[in-house]
Amino acid sequence: DTGVSQDPRHKITKRGQNVTFRCDPISEHNRLYWYRQTLGQGPEFLTYFQNEAQLEKSRLLSDRFSAERPKGSFSTLEIQRTEQGDSAMYLCASSFLVNTEAFFGQGTRLTVV
Amino acid sequence: DAKTTQPPSMDCAEGRAANLPCNHSTISGNEYVYWYRQIHSQGPQYIIHGLKNNETNEMASLIITEDRKSSTLILPHATLRDTAVYYCIVRDSNAGGTSYGKLTFGQGTILTVHP
Repeated sequence: DTGVSQDPRHKITKRGQNVTFRCDPISEHNRLYWYRQTLGQGPEFLTYFQNEAQLEKSRLLSDRFSAERPKGSFSTLEIQRTEQGDSAMYLCASSFLVNTEAFFGQGTRLTVV
Repeated sequence: DAKTTQPPSMDCAEGRAANLPCNHSTISGNEYVYWYRQIHSQGPQYIIHGLKNNETNEMASLIITEDRKSSTLILPHATLRDTAVYYCIVRDSNAGGTSYGKLTFGQGTILTVHP
């Protein structure tokens, strides 16, 4: 499968725990995006990487959130001290050029209990 | 904020064409019109995009008005599997811009295809 891959697909965690999600973009895509989607809403932009550089972060990305993309390949999104409000679908997308289509992964559904 | 306006819901009979409208009256010259759809619990799926001209691919057709202030996504022969939320998005294509090509989703249109 050569699409965008996200792992895990589902994660249940207790409030206060740390969680980390992984995204493997399409191999030749140098642009990588993270989004968050809550129930009944469209996806909301979180952060953007061009190669290994994180060029933009949304105000939605609080200090408890951190994202990395070492070597410009896969990316990780970590949430520290999770809160119930963090429960959402976390989506990753990648694209080759800014004016070409972005492809999304299937997402990681996080439930904080 | 999303720069597009879509009806919240639409119905379509199976086998008929589904025509989904979108208003983007503030679109700028660098911005493309993109359509994605999202089936429940899955990631958004790319459908089609265009700048000025009408576009067609194996999934759909995109009709953009001459003034580019609105567009219509056409699914020529809707099936039950086309039931989904359809998002119309304007996306900055300027490589030197600060939007970095991110997609700003609105609420979308819930399309229900019925037998």
